[in-house]
Amino acid sequence: DQQVKQNSPSLSVQEGRISILNCDYTNSMFDYFLWYKKYPAEGPTFLISISSIKDKNEDGRFTVFLNKSAKHLSLHIVPSQPGDSAVYFCAASARGSARQLTFGSGTQLTVLP
Amino acid sequence: DGGITQSPKYLFRKEGQNVTLSCEQNLNHDAMYWYRQDPGQGLRLIYYSQIVNDFQKGDIAEGYSVSREKKESFPLTVTSAQKNPTAFYLCASQDSYNSPLHFGNGTRLTVT
Repeated sequence: DQQVKQNSPSLSVQEGRISILNCDYTNSMFDYFLWYKKYPAEGPTFLISISSIKDKNEDGRFTVFLNKSAKHLSLHIVPSQPGDSAVYFCAASARGSARQLTFGSGTQLTVLP
Repeated sequence: DGGITQSPKYLFRKEGQNVTLSCEQNLNHDAMYWYRQDPGQGLRLIYYSQIVNDFQKGDIAEGYSVSREKKESFPLTVTSAQKNPTAFYLCASQDSYNSPLHFGNGTRLTVT
């Protein structure tokens, strides 16, 4: 039972264009969402997060949008750069003592020069 | 530089042997986590520890064991009871409630 789903295993985008990565969740208790970026043979690195009290959070070229009614979040990268090519994981956590993260299966983004 | 060190980067073992993966952090974080990544899947939580001498099972703890005798160290033992041990193992730490996890660079374990 996947509570966090990334339905697109891969995405290719031209350099300079917008990359949009999507993530859906089913657990209505999730109230904190994060995006991580991962290069091969390395650990994931934190990119950006959003709390459920907001619907948008921006950090430079990265913007995360949250649609609570649709249980959907997306990561926009503008403009996309070849160095952005990596696997992107969305993750969510629910209010509670442990704050365990539930991860999606990841989307491989390839930015073409 | 502060960070999380996982060693070794690659590990090979014969089936039936226990193996221990090392995770050390110098970030002074209280919470530490072990995740497993398989191809095409997200990260799945094995064990986590919020404080020294205490740890909790995650979603896939069967066949694994951990200890947390020191704040800096959270080793993971993959026992012979783990049916599919070949995977990429990631250790993480967390500064405080609701802060992002910091990950190590992982250990790729291959059991034949």
